[in-house]
Amino acid sequence: DAKTTQPPSMDCAEGRAANLPCNHSTISGNEYVYWYRQIHSQGPQYIIHGLKNNETNEMASLIITEDRKSSTLILPHATLRDTAVYYCIVRVGSTDKLIFGTGTRLQVFP
Amino acid sequence: NAGVTQTPKFRILKIGQSMTLQCTQDMNHNYMYWYRQDPGMGLKLIYYSVGAGITDKGEVPNGYNVSRSTTEDFPLRLELAAPSQTSVYFCASSQGLAGEQYFGPGTRLTVT
Repeated sequence: DAKTTQPPSMDCAEGRAANLPCNHSTISGNEYVYWYRQIHSQGPQYIIHGLKNNETNEMASLIITEDRKSSTLILPHATLRDTAVYYCIVRVGSTDKLIFGTGTRLQVFP
Repeated sequence: NAGVTQTPKFRILKIGQSMTLQCTQDMNHNYMYWYRQDPGMGLKLIYYSVGAGITDKGEVPNGYNVSRSTTEDFPLRLELAAPSQTSVYFCASSQGLAGEQYFGPGTRLTVT
């Protein structure tokens, strides 16, 4: 199973870009990188996913390095509501299982 | 659409009791999942289902059972509750193999 490594916590000023790193050095060629977040005790919320190319949606951008061994989730203009735990997940093989680690706790401050 | 709904929101069980956690989705998703989340930890997959009548074990299936008789419902059964099963339980669903998973609000279970 490909595993991910994330810093346990990060801070970001409101209005600034939040860049959350993730290492997945053993990722296989057919495995996607997913990002979810969990606000307080709510159910996790899907943010974005990608395979090789960079991806962008209304919530965030995902930058995957050319060797696919790491990625960065970018929240372009962080708000207080973005304070949450962010999980970087590599989908296991050809199944639909998501293996959650402990994530990065992002604190956005005024 | 209500999305994924779970009942109850909270429950306290005594050791040895049994209960069923209910999960329903109205998005016609084929895939459904049960996770548990212990304090300060990430989610761990208990069981999942790829369609009605088909279920399979995840990382931590011991002490739990599931069934999937309809597309909409995926109940999780706890037999002989133990303190180690104190956790928050999340149900999720997705359309397909690479689809995003939609999570319910969770059930907070305490076993004393």
